[in-house]
Amino acid sequence: AQSVTQLDSHVSVSEGTPVLLRCNYSSSYSPSLFWYVQHPNKGLQLLLKYTSAATLVKGINGFEAEFKKSETSFHLTKPSAHMSDAAEYFCVAAFSGGYQKVTFGTGTKLQVIP
Amino acid sequence: DTGVSQNPRHKITKRGQNVTFRCDPISEHNRLYWYRQTLGQGPEFLTYFQNEAQLEKSRLLSDRFSAERPKGSFSTLEIQRTEQGDSAMYLCASSSGGGHTEAFFGQGTRLTVV
Repeated sequence: AQSVTQLDSHVSVSEGTPVLLRCNYSSSYSPSLFWYVQHPNKGLQLLLKYTSAATLVKGINGFEAEFKKSETSFHLTKPSAHMSDAAEYFCVAAFSGGYQKVTFGTGTKLQVIP
Repeated sequence: DTGVSQNPRHKITKRGQNVTFRCDPISEHNRLYWYRQTLGQGPEFLTYFQNEAQLEKSRLLSDRFSAERPKGSFSTLEIQRTEQGDSAMYLCASSSGGGHTEAFFGQGTRLTVV
């Protein structure tokens, strides 16, 4: 079965320290992978995407993610957290094979402590 | 605005009433998805269209729910005999055909059943 797992439901970091949000996928195929951010009462915004080109993907607001096929992972990182990064982050996969279905992880709520 | 548009943004209805939501995808996108997001949870897949064909329905989509995309453009999601448990944010997303693509999300319709 194809699935996306976000290992942490909540992550808390101090402002100015690195951020790591973990995501693993399960699939027979290499999916397209995305990270979306959702601020309170706002729509989902795409941060970055992996589509089988470079394995290190840079996104908006200083975020980046690295696709590691051997580990079936696509962890999201940022060198230095800002208060404005506090939000919920969703790892999302588009699995191929007949048709392409978008599957969400359960989300990670990022808290940034001043 | 060329993004995904959802109407209405908010809907309050009495239990037992029927409601209908509309989604206008990005015009060249042939794939359209409906998701439901309850408070504190990630979006859950409801159904998926490729053009006018409804290719997959989640078990979450009970008999009271029906979705259509009559001409492969806009889509409607109808809930009959609403229940309090139907209160949620209903998200629509669209993507283009072919291989690795990203889903663009609308801002959602927030349904409150009282």
